[in-house]
Amino acid sequence: EDKVVQSPLSLVVHEGDTVTLNCSYEVTNFRSLLWYKQEKKAPTFLFMLTSSGIEKKSGRLSSILDKKELFSILNITATQTGDSAIYLCAVNRDDKIIFGKGTRLHILP
Amino acid sequence: GAGVSQTPSNKVTEKGKYVELRCDPISGHTALYWYRQSLGQGPEFLIYFQGTGAADDSGLPNDRFFAVRPEGSVSTLKIQRTERGDSAVYLCASSTVPGPYFSEQFFGPGTRLTVL
Repeated sequence: EDKVVQSPLSLVVHEGDTVTLNCSYEVTNFRSLLWYKQEKKAPTFLFMLTSSGIEKKSGRLSSILDKKELFSILNITATQTGDSAIYLCAVNRDDKIIFGKGTRLHILP
Repeated sequence: GAGVSQTPSNKVTEKGKYVELRCDPISGHTALYWYRQSLGQGPEFLIYFQGTGAADDSGLPNDRFFAVRPEGSVSTLKIQRTERGDSAVYLCASSTVPGPYFSEQFFGPGTRLTVL
């Protein structure tokens, strides 16, 4: 059965800290791995990763994929209170996207 | 801007009733997806439309759930004989390129369904 597992499920850190969120997957017909940020209801797209070892960066956020070990990490440096959200990892296979349960990140001021 | 819109934003109904949830995708997006998100879970795939047809409805949990997209734009998710376990946020997303050739899915704000 296809699965996407995220860890930790929740994380509380202080503003300015660096965090690493983990995502492992077992999915047939893998096409890409996606990271989303969900603050209220609608997830917003962060990254799409298709190739191993190539880091994607956007400001303080970065992500990398390891297709051999079947995992990805999302790093956030110099965290801010506005980074508080649920971070969802998802895998695109065929015409479906399979989501993990998410990591609930809370940044303390 | 003209993003994905969903109505109603909240729906409270009684067990056994029928509900319809509406999704207006971004204009020109041919692919439309429905997901269900329960508390503490990630979104769970329900159904995917390419144009007017349901290309994959394997995520619909049972035959009480049905979705249509008659003109290839607006979609309606219909739930018959609602049960308390149907309570969740129902998310709709649309994208330009359907199927396995990923393009970014843009999500709507969701409809929070509560079945009493």
